[in-house]
Amino acid sequence: AQSVAQPEDQVNVAEGNPLTVKCTYSVSGNPYLFWYVQYPNRGLQFLLKYITGDNLVKGSYGFEAEFNKSQTSFHLKKPSALVSDSALYFCAVCGAGSYQLTFGKGTKLSVIP
Amino acid sequence: NAGVMQNPRHLVRRRGQEARLRCSPMKGHSHVYWYRQLPEEGLKFMVYLQKENIIDESGMPKERFSAEFPKEGPSILRIQQVVRGDSAAYFCASSPQDGREYDEQFFGPGTRLTVL
Repeated sequence: AQSVAQPEDQVNVAEGNPLTVKCTYSVSGNPYLFWYVQYPNRGLQFLLKYITGDNLVKGSYGFEAEFNKSQTSFHLKKPSALVSDSALYFCAVCGAGSYQLTFGKGTKLSVIP
Repeated sequence: NAGVMQNPRHLVRRRGQEARLRCSPMKGHSHVYWYRQLPEEGLKFMVYLQKENIIDESGMPKERFSAEFPKEGPSILRIQQVVRGDSAAYFCASSPQDGREYDEQFFGPGTRLTVL
């Protein structure tokens, strides 16, 4: 079975400061890892994914994520937060041969002006 | 290029009625996935379909729920005899025709079902 943990329900960060949203996963075999963002009353928007190769993945809107196999983590990062980044962020995993995305419970990011 | 479309956006049903949720995938996509999001929770996989085929329905409740993706027209998620516990946001996603498990899934805006 595959699973995702997002240990923080909420993350608060001041505008202009770096942000990190944490994610750890469990899956058999090599993982495919994703980050999505959800704005109120909207669907999920794809930010970035890790398939293989370079452990640092760059995505939309200046976000990046670092894959760490030994720690089974895939933390989302951004060097300088914007107020418009305030939203709900979901980490998801898909195992090889499975088309099911398994999502974490989400982390609410609030960027304070 | 229109994104994934879902309708209705909001649906209110009384206990015992039927709910039909529709999803039109992105142009060129032939893989459709349905997820359910309960309040304060992440999305839970329900079913994965290709045209005229159910590929994986391991996340679907065994009773009252069904899904189809006909050759023509949108994918339909049908919930019979709804109960209050069915109240949730239902999201549809699609992925390209040559679908690989690491392809990102593109999500629609969701249908928010409220059962009175």
